[in-house]
Order: sequence, then structure tokens, then C-alpha cells
Amino acid sequence: DVVMTQSPLSLPVTLGQPASISCRSSQSLVHSDGNTYLNWFQQRPGQSPRRLIYKVSNRDSGVPDRFSGSGSGTDFTLKISRVEAEDVGLYYCMQGTHWPQTFGQGTRLEFK
Amino acid sequence: EVQLLESGGDLVQPGGSLRLSCAASGFTFSSHAMTWVRQAPGKGLEWVSTIRSSGDNTYYADSVKGRFTISRDNSKNTLYLQMNSLRAEDTAVYYCAKDLRSTVIYWGQGTLVTVSS
Repeated sequence: DVVMTQSPLSLPVTLGQPASISCRSSQSLVHSDGNTYLNWFQQRPGQSPRRLIYKVSNRDSGVPDRFSGSGSGTDFTLKISRVEAEDVGLYYCMQGTHWPQTFGQGTRLEFK
Repeated sequence: EVQLLESGGDLVQPGGSLRLSCAASGFTFSSHAMTWVRQAPGKGLEWVSTIRSSGDNTYYADSVKGRFTISRDNSKNTLYLQMNSLRAEDTAVYYCAKDLRSTVIYWGQGTLVTVSS
């Protein structure tokens, strides 16, 4: 199975400052169809997960442009340009290239 | 409006069975793969199973393979998860979601399964 490793697992941030989460996969996530199926999800406290980014760098509808995704192959990053209060919660990367699909352990974003 | 409404979650004894349902509306259900994802209390997200649009291909996490069966009824716009030989570690909120690879996804509110004696 493809192991997704996120870092850090806890991310203390300051309001208005940037934040970055890393996600590494144990195998390349380039699919035979040429796509790289790497998603990022956000889960606010008490809520269902919500996808933010699909195929590495594409924002889902309604996702603020302060969120961006980048990377290739096995190394990926989620960046928040300026953290806002509503961004507190858990963030997960997830690969959809290989079966079984797998999630990272999650990164808790919290204010200092 | 798109809706994915899970149901069927309950308290069940270890070794027991349960069937979850996910009623879909607001999109062409029969055209899309569907997925179950779960989240144990205080834990992270775990992909459980996916079924292709026609139902011909199914995929499972190792942790549920041989015990859980995913299926769908495209005439009823409903996704199912039959769970047998349940264990304490299957306790979780179970979410259904439209194909997590696709450009647009939908995600339900979840249904709680508790396995305990």
C-alpha cells in the first residue's frame, strides 16, 4: 500500500501568517493516465471533511485562493498564504492513484 | 441541490452485521464511482471502499477485505456497505462520497457505527 506521510503533525500558526504542510508518498502518484491524484482535505472541528485541492494544485469550488497546492511525483505541499481564524482544524492529504487509496495521518493547524 | 444521506448506523455487538445506505440526489449517480470513508473517534480519515459506476469493479482496504461488501442500486440512486464480522476497531463515523478522484466531489454528513458489547 502507498504510505502517505505528512509533516508536521501539529502546526502552531499566527493569524495572518503563512503556513505550509508537507505530504510525501512512498511511491510516485503519477497514474498511467498521466494524472496525479493527490487531494488535500480540511476538517473543521465537528464538521465533515471538505476537499480543498484535487490533482495536486486545483482548488475546489468555493475554496479561497489563499490555499494552494504544489508538488510532483512523491513530494507535495499545501500552502496557506495568510492564515485566517476559520482555517483551524485538521488537514489530510490523500492519494487516489493506487489501490487502496490512502490518507495521510493528518496535520492539526492551531493558533499559537 | 446535491445530497448524500447516509443511514443505517447503529450500536452492534462484536461479530454482528450492519448495512449502511447512502441515498444520493441532485447528480447523475449512475455515472460516477462512489466511495466509503470512515473516521474512528479522535482518529484520522481511512478510505474503506470504492465501487465503479456500473458496479462491476470494487476495491477494499485491507482492514475490511473479506468482511465488508460495497454495492449500489443505480435505479434507486443508493450506495450500500454491508458490514459483517464487525470488530471494535470498526467503530467509526462512515461517510459516503462521490468519486474522490473526480473534478467535483460530494460528501455526506456521516453515520455512526458503534461496535461494542
